[in-house]
Amino acid sequence: DGGITQSPKYLFRKEGQNVTLSCEQNLNHDAMYWYRQDPGQGLRLIYYSQIVNDFQKGDIAEGYSVSREKKESFPLTVTSAQKNPTAFYLCASRGELAGGSYNEQFFGPGTRLTVL
Amino acid sequence: GQQLNQSPQSMFIQEGEDVSMNCTSSSIFNTWLWYKQEPGEGPVLLIALYKAGELTSNGRLTAQFGITRKDSFLNISASIPSDVGIYFCAGRAFSSNTGKLIFGQGTTLQVKP
Repeated sequence: DGGITQSPKYLFRKEGQNVTLSCEQNLNHDAMYWYRQDPGQGLRLIYYSQIVNDFQKGDIAEGYSVSREKKESFPLTVTSAQKNPTAFYLCASRGELAGGSYNEQFFGPGTRLTVL
Repeated sequence: GQQLNQSPQSMFIQEGEDVSMNCTSSSIFNTWLWYKQEPGEGPVLLIALYKAGELTSNGRLTAQFGITRKDSFLNISASIPSDVGIYFCAGRAFSSNTGKLIFGQGTTLQVKP
């Protein structure tokens, strides 16, 4: 099946530890995105990548890092510098809508990170 | 970062009722999208709009791209319990060549059977 996978679904870490969230897609999409979601708020962009080996900061990149060594993978590391890391993290990739005229973002199932 | 103003923030309705929600922006957009997110899952794209004035339906859902290009509306007719979730609007500016979206804060919909 084609799709976007994020693992694990739930992640617990102690304060001060770095943690890496996985995002994989087999849709052959070039562009990938990471968002953070907090209760009652919209999705806020952390980092995005339009092509392999290239990525740009989003609106809230501080305390996060990414890599894009392969087209299908865009892992996000939440570092100890992130002051409030507990949140729901969503990965998306951008590809063709049915009909083929436009490209839009499609989301993975998310990872809920809790820092204790 | 910029956010869209989405309203209402939450709705609690009776099954069978119609629902309306909207999003407004201070900037002009060339794309408006509506996503639905169920608890603990990622958002799913419901409707995409690309032209001012465009009206598009997806089953019981109908969305419109405002004439001013600064707003969009989503209507759900004859709501059912499985409509429960958070509905997000998202917009993309003319200047964006990266596919970046700006999201509203979401409208939480609860349906009473």
